[in-house]
Amino acid sequence: DAGVTQSPTHLIKTRGQQVTLRCSPKSGHDTVSWYQQALGQGPQFIFQYYEEEERQRGNFPDRFSGHQFPNYSSELNVNALLLGDSALYLCASSGRAWGEKLFFGSGTQLSVL
Amino acid sequence: QQPVQSPQAVILREGEDAVINCSSSKALYSVHWYRQKHGEAPVFLMILLKGGEQKGHEKISASFNEKKQQSSLYLTASQLSYSGTYFCGSSGNTPLVFGKGTRLSVIA
Repeated sequence: DAGVTQSPTHLIKTRGQQVTLRCSPKSGHDTVSWYQQALGQGPQFIFQYYEEEERQRGNFPDRFSGHQFPNYSSELNVNALLLGDSALYLCASSGRAWGEKLFFGSGTQLSVL
Repeated sequence: QQPVQSPQAVILREGEDAVINCSSSKALYSVHWYRQKHGEAPVFLMILLKGGEQKGHEKISASFNEKKQQSSLYLTASQLSYSGTYFCGSSGNTPLVFGKGTRLSVIA
């Protein structure tokens, strides 16, 4: 049973560019959450997708957008990259109820130069 | 609102015990604990629901005091494998909000 998979594992971009990160949830999970983790910090909630809709959003600008596909996989898009967007981006899957335990992928390390 | 964890960092020798605290100014409905090793994804340890319950898994246990809006993680007779950063997360009918983490280093 595959867990949560994310791609790519590492990415280097320059300021102003756009990036797309991908996530496949654990089998049986229909809810995907995205988190940004800066170095030495806890994961910060970006948004959550359920039934192909953005269910809730954290305090992130509109440059951050996402999508969920019918097979429950998800994408995170970031436009107009800033140096401050450099971080580890974690995808987590779970069941649909609030407060269910999260299964994290290994993350995508994004570096913006 | 982000829960507050203490201490920020702790160093233990193998076999010693440690307590990590997590508190919130907002009502806690459930508390999650995760451990993240360097360069890896956070891994789920346990969930505690309001009601003052205590849970345990081998030598790692936790308590949840709803009145104090506080949870504590207890690591007993620590092993080298316990090293990592421990995060608590709070949840109501909301996505999980994580604290900044407690970095635990266990040395031989």
